[in-house]
Amino acid sequence: DADVTQTPRNRITKTGKRIMLECSQTKGHDRMYWYRQDPGLGLRLIYYSFDVKDINKGEISDGYSVSRQAQAKFSLSLESAIPNQTALYFCATSEGSGREQETQYFGPGTRLLVL
Amino acid sequence: DQQVKQNSPSLSVQEGRISILNCDYTNSMFDYFLWYKKYPAEGPTFLISISSIKDKNEDGRFTVFLNKSAKHLSLHIVPSQPGDSAVYFCAAVRTGNQFYFGTGTSLTVIP
Repeated sequence: DADVTQTPRNRITKTGKRIMLECSQTKGHDRMYWYRQDPGLGLRLIYYSFDVKDINKGEISDGYSVSRQAQAKFSLSLESAIPNQTALYFCATSEGSGREQETQYFGPGTRLLVL
Repeated sequence: DQQVKQNSPSLSVQEGRISILNCDYTNSMFDYFLWYKKYPAEGPTFLISISSIKDKNEDGRFTVFLNKSAKHLSLHIVPSQPGDSAVYFCAAVRTGNQFYFGTGTSLTVIP
């Protein structure tokens, strides 16, 4: 079984709809992250959480919100989806701070299309 | 402001030859650097890393070189194999802070 899972894997929605992307991990890591990938722009950080009570904005948090329901679960919400949020979304985890513990492990991604 | 750059969007190499992927960064405070490999329809997977206190790290066919004065790192794959065909991302982090990823280089290894 995969260590980091994301649901759904693919989603098509309409402008203005609220959607939630979910991430679960069995690695026992404290830190979790949400990224989006766009062609030519690489991976950009949306939100991150260093533990259950900690939520931090990344470089492109506008239009998104997150919830850290438990150590193993980190959800990303689009309150009112817009077409430029069409992208590939990745969840990642890491053990903690300190060189090798910084290494992030990624889920398989969610492909989102906003019409 | 792109703090980590991969200036070559794509690279083609013959099987058995060396693949060299390059990455430049602007922030001298980065102290840990990583390479990730991504196949279509999968998430990025960790490949190899290097701390800023080293200038080289090897793992089998993969070697990462770090030139701090030039703010440049490279990934060497020797010998290249068709299964190495993927998109490669470099990433940089200042310990305790967020990762910055490059835009990726698509490597094609030709049999």
